[in-house]
This record gives sequence, structure tokens and C-alpha cells, in this order.
Amino acid sequence: SQTIHQWPATLVQPVGSPLSLECTVEGTSNPNLYWYRQAAGRGLQLLFYSVGIGQISSEVPQNLSASRPQDRQFILSSKKLLLSDSGFYLCAWRGPGPYEQYFGPGTRLTVT
Amino acid sequence: DAKTTQPPSMDCAEGRAANLPCNHSTISGNEYVYWYRQIHSQGPQYIIHGLKNNETNEMASLIITEDRKSSTLILPHATLRDTAVYYCIVSNTGANSKLTFGKGITLSVRP
Repeated sequence: SQTIHQWPATLVQPVGSPLSLECTVEGTSNPNLYWYRQAAGRGLQLLFYSVGIGQISSEVPQNLSASRPQDRQFILSSKKLLLSDSGFYLCAWRGPGPYEQYFGPGTRLTVT
Repeated sequence: DAKTTQPPSMDCAEGRAANLPCNHSTISGNEYVYWYRQIHSQGPQYIIHGLKNNETNEMASLIITEDRKSSTLILPHATLRDTAVYYCIVSNTGANSKLTFGKGITLSVRP
């Protein structure tokens, strides 16, 4: 069966520090991968999605970036965090067969 | 993607059916209706999806009107663990398809 992992689960970082969040999927190949963010009390916002290695589409211009160095690995990064980057970051995958997306457990980021 | 509208909240008694409505009057012919839910502090969970026929799985039933402009998610026997935000989303299924989450409907199941 397929599983999706995210780490770390929680993170507290100072403003201006770098960020790296990792997401990996097991049990499937060539998935579509997605990064979402949910600010406190807000809905889910799609940040990036990827249909293959090295292929990244950005939905919202900001100080975040994403990379897909391997088929089942998706990384969200920032060189300098802002207070507004605080939120719940979720990674999701979609297989070639099913149409639905499956979400990871998320990373709760607090920028202080 | 087409926009959906949902009431902000509703409640139901434990053990009763919960009927969650969704309007998607501008849905395109190739767009599916998806339902997800998000329990507090967790990632969204896929529930069900459909194109034009009614669908049922172990979690819920999805009733889509004949004109496809609205749908209803039915949880046949709601439990306290069904308390969550439920999102109705319309999307196509192409390789670059994306899900646009709105505010959803907060379902509160009362004992």
C-alpha cells in the first residue's frame, strides 16, 4: 500500500532563517506531488505541484521554492523565512490511476 | 476549476444521517465532484468522487443532480468522529489537474 511521509512534524524557526521540508511517498511510482499551506483559520492554498522529476509548477509567487530531486521525493524550501510563512504545510500525492489526492500528516511551522 | 458554494456549518445528531449540500452551477462536462474532509490538525482525507452517477463507498454516498449543478454528500450514520470540515471540489482529471479548496462546511456531530 502507498504511504506518504512528512518531516519534521513541527518546527519553530526565527524570521530570516532557511527552511527545508521533506515529503516522500512509498508504494507508487511517478506520482503527481503537491505542496499546500494552511494558515491559521484559513483554507488550503496550493503552493506547488509536480508531475515528474525536476518539473515544478508554482501557483503562488512568494519566497518559497520546491524541488523534486527523485521520483518520490518533494522538498519545500526557503532561503529566508517571513512571519507570514507560518502555517500548516501539507504534502499530497496523486497516482496515475486514482484521481484522488492523498495527504501526508503535515508539518506545523511557526516563524518567530 | 469551477467554483463551489457550501453552507458554512451544520450539525446533526449522532447516529442520524448527515446530508451535506454543495452547489457547483458552472461545472464543466469533464469535471468531477470530489469530497474531502479535514479533521482538526490533520491533513485532508479523500471521501468520494463522482461524475454524473450516484456513488457509494464504505464512507459515504454522493448524490449528483441530473443537471450536475449540485450534489449532496450523505454520511448515513454520523458519529462523533465525523466532526470535521468537509470540502466539495470540482476538478478535471488531467495530468495537470489541481484541487482548489474553498472554506468547506463545518459539520458538528452532537451526542
